[in-house]
Amino acid sequence: GEDVEQSLFLSVREGDSSVINCTYTDSSSTYLYWYKQEPGAGLQLLTYIFSNMDMKQDQRLTVLLNKKDKHLSLRIADTQTGDSAIYFCAESTSGGKLIFGQGTELSVKP
Amino acid sequence: SAVISQKPSRDICQRGTSLTIQCQVDSQVTMMFWYRQQPGQSLTLIATANQGSEATYESGFVIDKFPISRPNLTFSTLTVSNMSPEDSSIYLCSVGYRGTNEKLFFGSGTQLSVL
Repeated sequence: GEDVEQSLFLSVREGDSSVINCTYTDSSSTYLYWYKQEPGAGLQLLTYIFSNMDMKQDQRLTVLLNKKDKHLSLRIADTQTGDSAIYFCAESTSGGKLIFGQGTELSVKP
Repeated sequence: SAVISQKPSRDICQRGTSLTIQCQVDSQVTMMFWYRQQPGQSLTLIATANQGSEATYESGFVIDKFPISRPNLTFSTLTVSNMSPEDSSIYLCSVGYRGTNEKLFFGSGTQLSVL
């Protein structure tokens, strides 16, 4: 069945780049997403990538997709303390449903 | 993007009671879903809310426990019935537009604690 895996924790220093990795299993996924969840809040759609792309850049965010290896990454440049949150990778399935990874908790230290 | 209003934002309920959560969107949406996020866990899809017909439930979720309504394209409710402490979770409404880029947006969630 479909499965999405992420590492659980990442700690970086303010100003460094953060790279959050994700692997997925459904090769038919049309879109892959990154969501951000701050404490006590819902999910904020950060960015998404269409499966026929291998890179997408949006300001400080860069998404890389290796479809052959079913590997997705999110790079945050110049990480700030406000970026501390849980980041979820998700893949789309039929009918618009999303399968989520476990979430990566990003901790940014000053 | 869609503006999603979810109510209540949090509640503390007694075992055996039921709670209805509302999701209101500021525009007509094609897709509406309800997700559950148990403490420290990822999101699990409960069901797809279908406009004018019965919801489509995922494995492990049943209509008697989680009845869902969707009377129109902008509104849905999820009821958590006969609650137990295991139902303590965040419940999130998600909406999307079927089309060329199927972005899904989430409400701010309902934090439910069952005593």
